[in-house]
Amino acid sequence: AQTVTQSQPEMSVQEAETVTLSCTYDTSESNYYLFWYKQPPSRQMILVIRQEAYKQQNATENRFSVNFQKAAKSFSLKISDSQLGDTAMYFCACYISQGGSEKLVFGKGTKLTVNP
Amino acid sequence: NAGVTQTPKFQVLKTGQSMTLQCAQDMNHEYMSWYRQDPGMGLRLIHYSVGAGITDQGEVPNGYNVSRSTTEDFPLRLLSAAPSQTSVYFCASRPVRDGETQYFGPGTRLLVL
Repeated sequence: AQTVTQSQPEMSVQEAETVTLSCTYDTSESNYYLFWYKQPPSRQMILVIRQEAYKQQNATENRFSVNFQKAAKSFSLKISDSQLGDTAMYFCACYISQGGSEKLVFGKGTKLTVNP
Repeated sequence: NAGVTQTPKFQVLKTGQSMTLQCAQDMNHEYMSWYRQDPGMGLRLIHYSVGAGITDQGEVPNGYNVSRSTTEDFPLRLLSAAPSQTSVYFCASRPVRDGETQYFGPGTRLLVL
């Protein structure tokens, strides 16, 4: 079964500093996609970053970058120069397509608080 | 583009009542899906559709019904509401190609008494 684990229920960071959110996943498929979504207090789910498993290069999106370790099945999110607006729940998710069915499985989330 | 829209934003039901949560998208996405979000559980897939006339079950389909008569709309029906269905419901859409980014609606908060 496909699982996504976020081991840090809550984290906090000072404004302008860097924070890393952890995510590990388990799938037997060789081709899959990984995502980080942000959910601010408004509840809107917003894509932060997307990684294709067949690409070795780590995805980056402005202040957000990932450390994708395929062998270790690890997909951590690094937020640089943290801003107050980064305060949100962050969800890691893994997508696979297998035998005509597909799944996007989410982790339970990490609550990030950026302190002034 | 309005993106993915959901109505209502908030609803209170009594046990046994039925209702339909509406979802619409204007991005011409083939794939649409419904998730529920419960505290400490992340998002779990209820039902999904890869195109008009095609639907399939996700991880937690019991107590819910869907249909897809048009590309734009994907309503979720609660047949006989139960307190266990108290949750926040998200509709999402994306192009049908594997691994494409899903775009989420703003959510519907449902309370079943």
